[in-house]
Amino acid sequence: GQQLNQSPQSMFIQEGEDVSMNCTSSSIFNTWLWYKQDPGEGPVLLIALYKAGELTSNGRLTAQFGITRKDSFLNISASIPSDVGIYFCAGQLERGGSQGNLIFGKGTKLSVKP
Amino acid sequence: KAGVTQTPRYLIKTRGQQVTLSCSPISGHRSVSWYQQTPGQGLQFLFEYFSETQRNKGNFPGRFSGRQFSNSRSEMNVSTLELGDSALYLCASSTHPTGFYGYTFGSGTRLTVV
Repeated sequence: GQQLNQSPQSMFIQEGEDVSMNCTSSSIFNTWLWYKQDPGEGPVLLIALYKAGELTSNGRLTAQFGITRKDSFLNISASIPSDVGIYFCAGQLERGGSQGNLIFGKGTKLSVKP
Repeated sequence: KAGVTQTPRYLIKTRGQQVTLSCSPISGHRSVSWYQQTPGQGLQFLFEYFSETQRNKGNFPGRFSGRQFSNSRSEMNVSTLELGDSALYLCASSTHPTGFYGYTFGSGTRLTVV
């Protein structure tokens, strides 16, 4: 089935730092979505991307839909403590199968530097 | 506008028992999907319903079943519980039958099998 390779798996941030994460796939997706999940809660949609090459911002978050429609990145500028959590990318397929219509990456866990 | 409501939030069951989880989607959303989330496996797709019809089913054993009612509310059932069924079960709803605009997730039901 389709797979999304999300990297890095985990990273430590210091307040004020910029953060980058990305997802790549061998499959083409109609939509790229970025979610954030806090402990004990469901994922919350941060940014949705609908067109190849599209660059979208949501406050300090910026995400891009790759030209080939096979990749996307998410940047967080000037990180703050509440940015800690797990970030998931997801690619949407028109015809889902046993994996469903949204294919999720394994997540990037953001933690605070000790 | 109320979000996706999942009940109960927490559940402890004994191996061999069965369990039913409930999900009320956002008003007007006719598409409901279910995911199992575990630390090792990430988000695993269970099923997807649109207007009471199961459109996709994940690779889970037949002990996992679901249904959607005419008011779009959905339930999933797990029979003969195993220790490995302990997980966070997430329900998500969407206006679009294939999730083009993304899913809105509930807070999940934390199932612990002892």
